[in-house]
Amino acid sequence: NAGVTQTPKFQVLKTGQSMTLQCAQDMNHEYMSWYRQDPGMGLRLIHYSVGAGITDQGEVPNGYNVSRSTTEDFPLRLLSAAPSQTSVYFCASSYSTQGPTYEQYFGPGTRLTVT
Amino acid sequence: AQSVTQPDIHITVSEGASLELRCNYSYGATPYLFWYVQSPGQGLQLLLKYFSGDTLVQGIKGFEAEFKRSQSSFNLRKPSVHWSDAAEYFCAVGSGGYNKLIFGAGTRLAVHP
Repeated sequence: NAGVTQTPKFQVLKTGQSMTLQCAQDMNHEYMSWYRQDPGMGLRLIHYSVGAGITDQGEVPNGYNVSRSTTEDFPLRLLSAAPSQTSVYFCASSYSTQGPTYEQYFGPGTRLTVT
Repeated sequence: AQSVTQPDIHITVSEGASLELRCNYSYGATPYLFWYVQSPGQGLQLLLKYFSGDTLVQGIKGFEAEFKRSQSSFNLRKPSVHWSDAAEYFCAVGSGGYNKLIFGAGTRLAVHP
């Protein structure tokens, strides 16, 4: 199993540009999430999905879009990049058994710089 | 709303010394609690987790954590720190449904030789 994969590892954007961060998992997990990590703030939830076709906003959703057409993939789109979106982005997946487990399996991250 | 507080932003210990990283949470019901570690430039790795049962939980790399309901704490401990333990440590609590986690701000650990 590759687990959770993310591409690209690094990206530099100019203000106003758009791009998509890719995330895929091969563990057949129903839940997937996107977090951003900023110094002194831990990880904050951007968007999450509870299954194909179902997404919802997290704590900091503004400026980001997501979709989930398959169980495996959960791309994050930056519509018009701003310097405030300079961050490290982590994708994660998780599963449930008879209820939520909350345990997140993280990808390696994408370091994004917006100039 | 659920929240997680890690009071120590930076901690420095000598190699071989004991370590305790503090974590306090705010949650009404029995919490699902986690500690993750992030080495420099890397992703997050699960150290240990608590759902129920024995309040002293053993994890990987020689770490353990103790759940204390009366203090709303889930402190991480290691009896003897190695230089390779230098990293950032995150405490997290499961939030509501949908497998969401709420993270603390993190504690950065430095280890002196």
